[in-house]
Amino acid sequence: AQTVTQSQPEMSVQEAETVTLSCTYDTSESNYYLFWYKQPPSRQMILVIRQEAYKQQNATENRFSVNFQKAAKSFSLKISDSQLGDTAMYFCAFMTMNTGFQKLVFGTGTRLLVSP
Amino acid sequence: NAGVTQTPKFQVLKTGQSMTLQCAQDMNHEYMSWYRQDPGMGLRLIHYSVGAGITDQGEVPNGYNVSRSTTEDFPLRLLSAAPSQTSVYFCASRMGRKNTEAFFGQGTRLTVV
Repeated sequence: AQTVTQSQPEMSVQEAETVTLSCTYDTSESNYYLFWYKQPPSRQMILVIRQEAYKQQNATENRFSVNFQKAAKSFSLKISDSQLGDTAMYFCAFMTMNTGFQKLVFGTGTRLLVSP
Repeated sequence: NAGVTQTPKFQVLKTGQSMTLQCAQDMNHEYMSWYRQDPGMGLRLIHYSVGAGITDQGEVPNGYNVSRSTTEDFPLRLLSAAPSQTSVYFCASRMGRKNTEAFFGQGTRLTVV
């Protein structure tokens, strides 16, 4: 079974600074995707970024980038130039592509607070 | 384009009552699923469907039923509510097997007293 671990329950950062959220996962699969989802106080789940395991290049989306270390099974999220609107719960998630439904397996989340 | 719509947004039930959480998507997605979110546990899969007429259990299916009579709708039924079912429920959909982006509804906060 796949597991996703987020070891930082809460983090805080000041506006304009950079913060990195950690995620590790465990799987024996070779074909999978990794995701970071953002959940602001509105409760909406928003996809921030995704990474295909076969791609060596780290994914980037504007101020968001990942550090994907496949051998170490690590998938951290870096938020540059943090903004107040980045305040949210962030979930790391895993999806195997090898089985029927390919469910999302989520970590327990990291609550990020961005302060002025 | 409404995306994934869940109703209601909030609900309080008494132990033993039954109710249905509604989920509808207008994107013609094949795959739909229900997750529950509990503090300190992330989101866990309850039930899922890979198309109209096809449903299956996720990791925490006990106490819940689903059906998928149309592509658009995927209701979640609580048969006899228990306090352990107090949670936030999310419906999600995606195009199909090769499409990895899941679209989520805004969630239903359910309290069972």
